[in-house]
Amino acid sequence: QSVLTQPPSVSGAPGQRVTISCTGSSSNIGAGYDVHWYQQLPGTAPKLLIYGNSNRPSGVPDRFSGSKSGTSASLAITGLQAEDEADYYCQSYDSSLSEKVFGGGTKLTVL
Amino acid sequence: QVQLVQSGAEVKKPGASVKVSCKASGYTFTSYGISWVRQAPGQGLEWMGWISAYNGNTNYAQKLQGRVTMTTDTSTSTAYMELRSLRSDDTAVYYCARGGVLVSFDYWGQGTLVTVSS
Repeated sequence: QSVLTQPPSVSGAPGQRVTISCTGSSSNIGAGYDVHWYQQLPGTAPKLLIYGNSNRPSGVPDRFSGSKSGTSASLAITGLQAEDEADYYCQSYDSSLSEKVFGGGTKLTVL
Repeated sequence: QVQLVQSGAEVKKPGASVKVSCKASGYTFTSYGISWVRQAPGQGLEWMGWISAYNGNTNYAQKLQGRVTMTTDTSTSTAYMELRSLRSDDTAVYYCARGGVLVSFDYWGQGTLVTVSS
């Protein structure tokens, strides 16, 4: 059971918009700690996608965006492409555990 | 360019120890922390802990306290993660990543598969 809760899977057709939620609590996201998002393509290491809730590292397309509100955060992907098919993970810090925590991951399928 | 290059795959017997290395290049090693993350087959990411490359301070996941030790060698810009008393459920790909407890992990190693089997 992950401290941060993500849907196991989401799907969408090419060109569509999808969102992935990340629900936490008052000891992590709700406490104001930043949320980061990672993309993991099959068989590869994770890659930083969004940092500090809504910032994109250089090279990440602006089709990817992040937001945070209350005890939750969301990753939105617009103009879905086949190459976006991957696992996505949210990450934050939990003050009760004094640990970095990940969501359980969401598998994105492009139909 | 920033690179983290990890040591090769390992096969260990239950009860043994494993030490994985992570050699950094392309940046000032002591300016960033190194975190370790593992991923069991077909499972999600699990944070193991963090070490400051500046002063060696560490923060380990409670689940691994007593079995894990993270160290650095600033002369070679290399971080190490040692896990002891290995069990079958320690079988996973182990990643090092640049970043600390409150910041994102902006660069990752390629991963090291550790298999624990009798």
